Amino acid sequence: AQTVTQSQPEMSVQEAETVTLSCTYDTSESDYYLFWYKQPPSRQMILVIRQEAYKQQNATENRFSVNFQKAAKSFSLKISDSQLGDAAMYFCAYRSAAGGYQKVTFGIGTKLQVIP
Amino acid sequence: GAVVSQHPSWVICKSGTSVKIECRSLDFQATTMFWYRQFPKQSLMLMATSNEGSKATYEQGVEKDKFLINHASLTLSTLTVTSAHPEDSSFYICSAPSLGGASNEKLFFGSGTQLSVL
Repeated sequence: AQTVTQSQPEMSVQEAETVTLSCTYDTSESDYYLFWYKQPPSRQMILVIRQEAYKQQNATENRFSVNFQKAAKSFSLKISDSQLGDAAMYFCAYRSAAGGYQKVTFGIGTKLQVIP
Repeated sequence: GAVVSQHPSWVICKSGTSVKIECRSLDFQATTMFWYRQFPKQSLMLMATSNEGSKATYEQGVEKDKFLINHASLTLSTLTVTSAHPEDSSFYICSAPSLGGASNEKLFFGSGTQLSVL
């Protein structure tokens, strides 16, 4: 079974600074997808960024980028120029690329505080 | 973009009663829906996968007779918590993948239902 581990329960960052959230995962599969989801106080899940395992290039979405290390099974999220609206729970997630609609497995989450 | 509508957003019920939570895909067909449960300060734990027109697949440890799932149409899946007890109090979230193949698939989430059982 796949597992997703987030070892940082809480992180804080000064507004406009950069922060990196860590994630490791365990799988025996070679093809899969990795995600970072944001859950603000409203608790609506929002997709931040997505990475296909077969792509070597790290995904980027504006101020959000990932450092995907497939051999190390590591998938960290970097948030640049942090804004107050970035404060939320961040979940790292894994999904198999096998056929059909595969379930998404989530890590336990990292609570990010942004300090004005 | 695609929207998944979930309601109610919160519900308070007495112990022993049943509660139904609905999840609708508003502008796309959802042949599959995932139901998650999230306890305070914890992650989302998959409870079951519902498939339109067939029986749901439950994760290990989830009682299928207690958490009844029905996916009768391509746009509606329901989760009924039967004979609810205080330990069932939790945040329940549904999600549905869009069609389009795995490489383009997106997962859309409902806004969640906070269930409090007294």
